[in-house]
Amino acid sequence: EIVLTQSPGTLSLSPGERATLSCRASQSVSSNYLAWYQQKPGQAPRLLIYGASIRATGIPDRFSGSGSGTDFTLTVSRLDPEDVAVYYCQQYGSSPRTFGQGTKVEIK
Amino acid sequence: EVQLVQSGAEVKKPGESLKISCKGSGYNFTNYWIAWVRQMPGIGLEWMGMIYPGDSDTRYSPSFEGQVTISADKSINTAYLQWSSLKASDIAMYYCARGLSGSYVSPSGYWGQGTLVTVSP
Repeated sequence: EIVLTQSPGTLSLSPGERATLSCRASQSVSSNYLAWYQQKPGQAPRLLIYGASIRATGIPDRFSGSGSGTDFTLTVSRLDPEDVAVYYCQQYGSSPRTFGQGTKVEIK
Repeated sequence: EVQLVQSGAEVKKPGESLKISCKGSGYNFTNYWIAWVRQMPGIGLEWMGMIYPGDSDTRYSPSFEGQVTISADKSINTAYLQWSSLKASDIAMYYCARGLSGSYVSPSGYWGQGTLVTVSP
């Protein structure tokens, strides 16, 4: 089973700042089958990024994904108050699919 | 429009059985994997398993195999998650989610609204 470790646990930034979230895998993620999800309080998760760097339909271009192998990054270029959420990475290239433990993004 | 509509919140006693549902619409239900994801109170997401309704091919996470049963009825476009004997540790929100594409390797692009399961004596 691939274990995904996200850091930091919590990120507290001001509006307009850049947020950088990390996801590290215990072994290489097959074909970069790595996704990022956003979960706002009281809501279901929403797919942001898949294939490590492909934005899902309707996702603002301030969200970007990068990385390969075992190290992946989600960047929010200019933080907006509506981006307050928990962000999860998930690998979907091997079974069982696994999620990271999440990074909580707060606004100062 | 793709939609996944889950059954309503449940309150059960320890030892009782339960089956929750996830009805898909707006697409060909048989052609996309549907996964189930657990979220315990205040905790992150856990992938439980998934099913391909076209042939009922089912995969489980080792953490959940033997603890739950995933099934689907393609005649009514509905997937299910069931327990034979609930425990207090089953208290959680349960989400169903459809693959973004029909491929076996696909992220979860569409999510249900969640079903809250409460287990209390």
